[in-house]
Amino acid sequence: AQKVTQAQTEISVVEKEDVTLDCVYETRDTTYYLFWYKQPPSGELVFLIRRNSFDEQNEISGRYSWNFQKSTSSFNFTITASQVVDSAVYFCALSVRGSNYKLTFGKGTLLTVNP
Amino acid sequence: DAGVTQSPTHLIKTRGQHVTLRCSPISGHKSVSWYQQVLGQGPQFIFQYYEKEERGRGNFPDRFSARQFPNYSSELNVNALLLGDSALYLCASSSDLGQISNQPQHFGDGTRLSIL
Repeated sequence: AQKVTQAQTEISVVEKEDVTLDCVYETRDTTYYLFWYKQPPSGELVFLIRRNSFDEQNEISGRYSWNFQKSTSSFNFTITASQVVDSAVYFCALSVRGSNYKLTFGKGTLLTVNP
Repeated sequence: DAGVTQSPTHLIKTRGQHVTLRCSPISGHKSVSWYQQVLGQGPQFIFQYYEKEERGRGNFPDRFSARQFPNYSSELNVNALLLGDSALYLCASSSDLGQISNQPQHFGDGTRLSIL
C-alpha cells in the first residue's frame, strides 16, 4: 500500500518569506511518480509538478523549487519570496505503476501568506 | 481548450436519496478518475476508468458506482445517501493510465455535495 505524509497541517508566513512544505512517501513499488497540487479556496486542484522515481534531479521553476531525495523518501516543496496569492492548501501525491497510477494524496498543508 | 468540466457545481440532497454527478474530460483524454474530498482531508480515490472499462476501485461501499461513455465522459452514482457522503467530488482526466505517457491528471472544479 502507498502512503503520503504531510506532517505540517498549517503554516503561516509573512509575505516575501521563504517557506518549505514537507512530504514523505511510502511505497514498495520501484516505479512511481510524485506530484504537488495546489488547491485554492475555489476548490480546483491545480497541478504544479511531477517527478518520476528514476529522476532525482531537483527542479526550479520561478519561485518554486522541489527537492526529491529517495534516500529519505521525501519530496519537499519550497516557495521563495512568498506572496499572498500563494495562500492555498498544498497536496503532495504519489502514483505507482502497480496501482494503475491512481493518486494517493497526503492530508495537505494549509499555507497562509500574510501581507 | 476546455478543461475538465463537472456538473452540477453544488448539490443538496437528503439522506436516502440518490445522486448522479457528471464529468467531461479534457478533449482527447481517455481516462477518468473520481475522488472524494471530505473537508479538511486530501482527496480519496473512488474509481478509475479507461477506454470505458473500470481499471481501479477504491475502498468505497457498493452504493458508489460509475461508468464511462463512448465519448469518454463519466457519471458517478451514489445510492442511499448518508450524511458522511457530504464532500467535494472531484473528477480528473488524463490521456492514459500512465503506462505510455504518464501525463498528470488534470482536475475539474468539483461538485460540492451536501447531505441534510
